[in-house]
Amino acid sequence: NAGVTQTPKFQVLKTGQSMTLQCAQDMNHNSMYWYRQDPGMGLRLIYYSASEGTTDKGEVPNGYNVSRLNKREFSLRLESAAPSQTSVYFCASSARDTQYFGPGTRLTVL
Amino acid sequence: GQQVMQIPQYQHVQEGEDFTTYCNSSTTLSNIQWYKQRPGGHPVFLIQLVKSGEVKKQKRLTFQFGEAKKNSSLHITATQTTDVGTYFCADYETSGSRLTFGEGTQLTVNP
Repeated sequence: NAGVTQTPKFQVLKTGQSMTLQCAQDMNHNSMYWYRQDPGMGLRLIYYSASEGTTDKGEVPNGYNVSRLNKREFSLRLESAAPSQTSVYFCASSARDTQYFGPGTRLTVL
Repeated sequence: GQQVMQIPQYQHVQEGEDFTTYCNSSTTLSNIQWYKQRPGGHPVFLIQLVKSGEVKKQKRLTFQFGEAKKNSSLHITATQTTDVGTYFCADYETSGSRLTFGEGTQLTVNP
């Protein structure tokens, strides 16, 4: 039982490049989330998915898109990366009020 | 949306000293959750408080929810080096299963 997994662990992009962050959970949870964490700002919700086939914007959705591919997988896409998107990205899934976080992806945009 | 403020931002203590972090909101919080994040790690759920005035304990950790549900606190008695990390409170909206996090308190413990 791996819980929540994320790939890649680290990524460096140039401004304007695109990439997709992958997230998968094996706990059969309906809800999944993407957060970004910046120093001194806690975690901010980018997008979430209450169930397979649905996605909703969170607090900071601009510059991102998501896909809930199936119940297990929820991906986050940066179409044209900007330096302001340098951050640590966490995926989470939840059941019964508790969120379980993945190990994170540390993204640097130059 | 709901804003959750947390103080202090940083706290340095000697091992054995107590530690408290506070979470405040100008509006009524739904439920309060507390998470711990070790350096370089990911947030890990500690506890959820639901009722006004609720107090819960986990070994040396005591969690409180204010009577008006506008504040919460986490108190650690006799800190240990294993307590090092950042502690976050978060308002949990049950209707949307969404969390709004405070900025966190980073705790360092000197042995």
